[in-house]
Amino acid sequence: AQSVSQHNHHVILSEAASLELGCNYSYGGTVNLFWYVQYPGQHLQLLIKYFSGDPLVKGIKGFEAEFIKSKFSFNLRKPSVQWSDTAEYFCAVQPFKLTFGGGTRVLVKP
Amino acid sequence: DVKVTQSSRYLVKRTGEKVFLECVQDMDHENMFWYRQDPGLGLRLIYFSYDVKMKEKGDIPEGYSVSREKKERFSLILESASTNQTSMYLCASSNSGRGGIRGSEQYFGPGTRLTVT
Repeated sequence: AQSVSQHNHHVILSEAASLELGCNYSYGGTVNLFWYVQYPGQHLQLLIKYFSGDPLVKGIKGFEAEFIKSKFSFNLRKPSVQWSDTAEYFCAVQPFKLTFGGGTRVLVKP
Repeated sequence: DVKVTQSSRYLVKRTGEKVFLECVQDMDHENMFWYRQDPGLGLRLIYFSYDVKMKEKGDIPEGYSVSREKKERFSLILESASTNQTSMYLCASSNSGRGGIRGSEQYFGPGTRLTVT
């Protein structure tokens, strides 16, 4: 069965620091890849999606993600975080059904 | 703007009760999904539906059933609630697009936090 692992459960960093969240999956075929974000008290919302094409994709709010097929990875990055980026981030992989990672809680200190 | 609504934000039920969670989407999406969200486990798929009256088991269907009588509405049913079903339940919907059920992103509702005592 496919699985998705996110490397960190909790990340704490200061404003203006760079953020990188790791995501690896176990599925050998073609997949769609997503990062979703859940801000405190809000709906889960799409941050980035990758279906095909350029493996470096830009999402909303200054986030980007890089798909490395050989490493089965889809890591999320932001060069300079803000306090408002405090949220839980979920990586998801979709060969057919959507499978989510366990999530990473990010706390940005002002 | 896609809107997915769920009938309750918070629900408290007793063990053994029958529980209905309702989800409605207003964008004429073909596909609808029910997940449960637990700390450290992310979201796990319970059931999904790609058409009216059609349903498919997800990864953790045990103890749950679903109903889709109308395209816009997808109900999750706990026949006899148990304490291990205490969780946050999220509904989602998506278009089929060219790729069928995997063709497009899913839009999520606000969630129902269910506590079974």
